[in-house]
Amino acid sequence: AQSVAQPEDQVNVAEGNPLTVKCTYSVSGNPYLFWYVQYPNRGLQFLLKYITGDNLVKGSYGFEAEFNKSQTSFHLKKPSALVSDSALYFCAVSPGAAGNKLTFGGGTRVLVKP
Amino acid sequence: GAVVSQHPSWVICKSGTSVKIECRSLDFQATTMFWYRQFPKQSLMLMATSNEGSKATYEQGVEKDKFLINHASLTLSTLTVTSAHPEDSSFYICSSQRDPYEQYFGPGTRLTVT
Repeated sequence: AQSVAQPEDQVNVAEGNPLTVKCTYSVSGNPYLFWYVQYPNRGLQFLLKYITGDNLVKGSYGFEAEFNKSQTSFHLKKPSALVSDSALYFCAVSPGAAGNKLTFGGGTRVLVKP
Repeated sequence: GAVVSQHPSWVICKSGTSVKIECRSLDFQATTMFWYRQFPKQSLMLMATSNEGSKATYEQGVEKDKFLINHASLTLSTLTVTSAHPEDSSFYICSSQRDPYEQYFGPGTRLTVT
């Protein structure tokens, strides 16, 4: 069975400072990894994905994530956080070629203070 | 990105009644759509996989007779919550799969059962 862990329920960061949201996963084979953002009472917006290739993936709104196979991690990063980045962030994994079901982490709430 | 709509965006119904939620893939045909449930301040839980022209595949613990899914066309899947009870109150989110790598999410439907 596949699983995703987001160890931090909330991350607080000052505007302009670097933002990191942690994610580790457990899945057989070569996973597909995703980050989504959710604003209050809204659906999920896609940020970025890792399928194969370069371990550093760049996505929307200045976000990036690094796939680390040895540490089974896929942390989300942004060099300079904005107040508008305050939202709920979800990491998700699918088993790649073995299937298309997404398993989500518990979510991390990001609060960027001005 | 691809556009997925849901209707209604919110609904209040009385206990014992049934509610239908529509999920439409507006700019591509989706043979596979997914239904998720999200409780307040929690992650998304996959309820079922909806396949056009065939029966939905339900996740363990999800009552298929209570949550009826119909994927009647390549652009429309419906979720009907039958004989709704207050514990069915939740945020329901659908997604459409366009390629093996990515799901596009709808904006969600908030169901409140009184």
